[in-house]
Amino acid sequence: ELKVEQNPLFLSMQEGKNYTIYCNYSTTSDRLYWYRQDPGKSLESLFVLLSNGAVKQEGRLMASLDTKARLSTLHITAAVHDLSATYFCAGDIIQGAQKLVFGQGTRLTINP
Amino acid sequence: SQTIHQWPATLVQPVGSPLSLECTVEGTSNPNLYWYRQAAGRGLQLLFYSVGIGQISSEVPQNLSASRPQDRQFILSSKKLLLSDSGFYLCAWSPLNGATNEKLFFGSGTQLSVL
Repeated sequence: ELKVEQNPLFLSMQEGKNYTIYCNYSTTSDRLYWYRQDPGKSLESLFVLLSNGAVKQEGRLMASLDTKARLSTLHITAAVHDLSATYFCAGDIIQGAQKLVFGQGTRLTINP
Repeated sequence: SQTIHQWPATLVQPVGSPLSLECTVEGTSNPNLYWYRQAAGRGLQLLFYSVGIGQISSEVPQNLSASRPQDRQFILSSKKLLLSDSGFYLCAWSPLNGATNEKLFFGSGTQLSVL
């Protein structure tokens, strides 16, 4: 059974600082996803990581995947207030359909 | 382009009342369809998925059911709501035989409060 755990669950940081959110998963996952959710809103896809060593960057966010360690990271560079949101990682299992298993989410608050 | 519609956006229902949430997808055929639930402050839990008309798989035993009467329509129902059914419900779709980099696309969600 695939289990996904994120840490930290809550993160409060100052603008301009760097930080990393960690995502560990328990068994082999075909893909690793990162989503963003604003309060009361749906999920916005950020990254899909397909293979070991994959690195993707979009603006101040960079995601990486280490399949041997079963670890993905989401790195935030020089944080700005607009990045405040809850970030979810998810692994997937292909069993008849693509089923995502989500982590608990990391609530990120960036203070001016 | 593909779009996913989910309604209503918010719903307040008394305990014991029925429920029907609807989701439709446009711009694609034979999608995989999903219902997820997010309890307050928690992650997302997969409730149901469907790979075709009339084909429903349930992931967790619960007070809810799902139906897929048409290719691009997915309905979440309950005959009698419980307090524990409160939460944020998200419909999602993915291509049936998507490329390796395909992801789930989520609807805007329904905030259900059972009182």
